Amino acid sequence: ETGVTQTPRHLVMGMTNKKSLKCEQHLGHNAMYWYKQSAKKPLELMFVYSLEERVENNSVPSRFSPECPNSSHLFLHLHTLQPEDSALYLCASSRLKGRGSTDTQYFGPGTRLTVL
Amino acid sequence: LAKTTQPISMDSYEGQEVNITCSHNNIATNDYITWYQQFPSQGPRFIIQGYKTKVTNEVASLFIPADRKSSTLSLPRVSLSDTAVYYCLVGDDYQLIWGAGTKLIIKP
Repeated sequence: ETGVTQTPRHLVMGMTNKKSLKCEQHLGHNAMYWYKQSAKKPLELMFVYSLEERVENNSVPSRFSPECPNSSHLFLHLHTLQPEDSALYLCASSRLKGRGSTDTQYFGPGTRLTVL
Repeated sequence: LAKTTQPISMDSYEGQEVNITCSHNNIATNDYITWYQQFPSQGPRFIIQGYKTKVTNEVASLFIPADRKSSTLSLPRVSLSDTAVYYCLVGDDYQLIWGAGTKLIIKP
């Protein structure tokens, strides 16, 4: 257990569905991250929130919409996804975020998403 | 574009010491070197971090030469449970770029 939980662990959805991924951290951290990990590809950083403010958005398609209502919770809202969006979606948290910060990131177990 | 280069895969045997070397020729002055371990269908887990010389913790050692253009993760006396993908990262928290990692397979 890393102190970061993600639900659901597995999700199958059609291209017209709307679903949400949830992440919760119990570590008192101030920064949270969404990553995408596709088969045989490196982890891709999608979004970063620091103190509930989005600080990174790495050219992610608008069909992915993040939400961070407080420092402990992070959501990724999904709509009209494509089959190529099938991947493992990982949430992580760290104490701080910012230039010069090197805080360890703690990852959740991920949500395995399949888009049909 | 990843800032690091590591071997795609390595094999070793139980009880051996394993060294995984990472090349990072363009490391910046502010960059730290961090290693993570990832098992299938799990998120990466922090192993060790360093800036220069040698760092040791309860699971690994990290050797960084004076020019900092490479680093070596050393895993002492590996076991089957050390089979995983190992990632070398350089950068501060603002610009971490993940490479493909090294798939380490430990054989009995």
